[in-house]
Amino acid sequence: NAGVMQNPRHLVRRRGQEARLRCSPVKGHSHVYWYRQLPEEGLKFMVYLQKENIIDESGMPKERFSAEFPKEGPSILRIQQVVRGDSAAYFCASSPLDRVNGYTFGSGTRLTVV
Amino acid sequence: DQQVKQNSPSLSVQEGRISILNCDYTNSMFDYFLWYKKYPAEGPTFLISISSIKDKNEDGRFTVFLNKSAKHLSLHIVPSQPGDSAVYFCAASARTNAGKSTFGDGTTLTVKP
Repeated sequence: NAGVMQNPRHLVRRRGQEARLRCSPVKGHSHVYWYRQLPEEGLKFMVYLQKENIIDESGMPKERFSAEFPKEGPSILRIQQVVRGDSAAYFCASSPLDRVNGYTFGSGTRLTVV
Repeated sequence: DQQVKQNSPSLSVQEGRISILNCDYTNSMFDYFLWYKKYPAEGPTFLISISSIKDKNEDGRFTVFLNKSAKHLSLHIVPSQPGDSAVYFCAASARTNAGKSTFGDGTTLTVKP
């Protein structure tokens, strides 16, 4: 399967714990994006990364959230000290350099904070 | 400040008829527009796109129209099929930040047999 792989598919965390969401892009894609979908809402941009660089993190909350895309391995979205409002579906997408054919999305990680 | 708006949360059409999904944008810097389709519990999948140098792009049953002066685009699906029932997202990007796409809130299309 050459698609974007996200894991885990479902993640349950208690308030105050850390959540780590992983994303392996399509092989050969140099760009990774994270989007969040809150219940009954659309996809909200969080962060855009290339290997070892954050290009645009304008949609990321200033505190508790961080993202990385290391030279080796998957991209990681990390949420520290989770709160109930962090419960959402988190989608990762990847693309090559050009934007003609849009993003390839993963199936998402559904985070539930209890 | 929502830069991409899909004002109709839902649309219901009969099988075989035309489905028209609408999208408006406010940012004049947007020059590339895309439509994605999303089924429950799955990620969105790319459907069709259009550059601002065109006003129409067609791919099989799907056609996207762009009206730059009105900052409006629409997706036409004809004929509609029950398998088209999904959430459709409009997205836009600007050449100055081509990596980032801004999405609308989506329109849920239901095609009735």
